[in-house]
Amino acid sequence: EIVMTQSPATLSVSPGERATLSCRASQSVSSNLAWYQQKPGQAPRLLIYGASTRATGIPARFSGSGSGTEFTLTISSLQSEDFAVYYCQQYNNWPLFGQGTRLEIK
Amino acid sequence: EVQLVESGGGLVQPGGSLRLSCAASGFTFSSYAMSWVRQAPGKGLEWVSAISGSGGSTYYADSVKGRFTISRDNSKNTLYLQMNSLRAEDTAVYYCAKDLENLPNYYFDYWGQGTLVTVSS
Repeated sequence: EIVMTQSPATLSVSPGERATLSCRASQSVSSNLAWYQQKPGQAPRLLIYGASTRATGIPARFSGSGSGTEFTLTISSLQSEDFAVYYCQQYNNWPLFGQGTRLEIK
Repeated sequence: EVQLVESGGGLVQPGGSLRLSCAASGFTFSSYAMSWVRQAPGKGLEWVSAISGSGGSTYYADSVKGRFTISRDNSKNTLYLQMNSLRAEDTAVYYCAKDLENLPNYYFDYWGQGTLVTVSS
């Protein structure tokens, strides 16, 4: 059974700075990985699929990288609206989400 | 504009049943697989079930297999989740989510606002 582990659990970053979020799979999921953003009281929003393809309408400051077991979501210059919880999700097998990383204002 | 609107949530006793609905608009509903994803209060996301665009293929998480049934009515652009033998651990916000293909790829480009199901005596 695949386990998805996100780190860190909470990340404190100042607006305008870069944020790097990590996601690790316990076994290879190839490039079958997505990233979502969720704000309080809202549904998740698809940011990245195929490990590195931005979804429609997602700003270029969001980028994804990695394959196999190690993945990264980078937000190049944090805007106020980017502070939220981020989930990775593998879909190489039955879909499974990581536990989330809370990105908070420093 | 794609819209997904869930309904049918509420308070139910353990062992009870509930039927969720998701009304879809703004896209060709029958062309896309759909899923239900849930989120327990203060917790992460858990995929529950998926159905192909035609409705001919269905898929379930082990945690709900044999208790939940997913279905769709493409003439009404509506997705359903029949939940039986409900347990306290089924308490969650239930989201319907649109897939990007006719058969499930299991990543989701549009989500509804969710409906809360609370299982408690």
